[in-house]
Amino acid sequence: DAGVTQSPTHLIKTRGQHVTLRCSPISGHKSVSWYQQVLGQGPQFIFQYYEKEERGRGNFPDRFSARQFPNYSSELNVNALLLGDSALYLCASRGSGGREAFFGQGTRLTVV
Amino acid sequence: QKEVEQDPGPLSVPEGAIVSLNCTYSNSAFQYFMWYRQYSRKGPELLMYTYSSGNKEDGRFTAQVDKSSKYISLFIRDSQPSDSATYLCAMSAGNTPLVFGKGTRLSVIA
Repeated sequence: DAGVTQSPTHLIKTRGQHVTLRCSPISGHKSVSWYQQVLGQGPQFIFQYYEKEERGRGNFPDRFSARQFPNYSSELNVNALLLGDSALYLCASRGSGGREAFFGQGTRLTVV
Repeated sequence: QKEVEQDPGPLSVPEGAIVSLNCTYSNSAFQYFMWYRQYSRKGPELLMYTYSSGNKEDGRFTAQVDKSSKYISLFIRDSQPSDSATYLCAMSAGNTPLVFGKGTRLSVIA
């Protein structure tokens, strides 16, 4: 079975640009969450979606937005990129009734 | 006070040693506890999942949860160089987002 897949794996953007990151959850999983992990820190929660509805949002500015599609895949969008947005962006999926989360390999974003 | 505290290490042990990794937390609503292993520049890999208090064993790994002390542990027996990674504890109150520790960097020396 395929795990959580994320694309792209690496990305370099310039300050002020916009970026879109994509995630496909494990087949049958309807919940997708996004996390940001900066070097030396644990992942920080950004968004949680379940059945295409936003179920939670972390302490991130409005430049960050996300959505979930009918096939349960998800996109994370970040506008007006700042140097501080450089991080590993992780997507996690959970099954119905499951509490454990399974992560993808992440997208490493570098803002220059 | 952060919700989840984890000593970042680094922790260096000889091959074959027993490794003990720990986290403390402050939110008594947490009931679901996870340990993840993360290799450099990779996504976290779920190692152990525990609900509420108690022990859980899987091969060389044992997870312990003491909710009365708000303290969780991961033990690795017969540690191997391939266990060298960053270990993250994570917890949640249910369908709520995971709250992570900073991670402990472990090196197992052959």
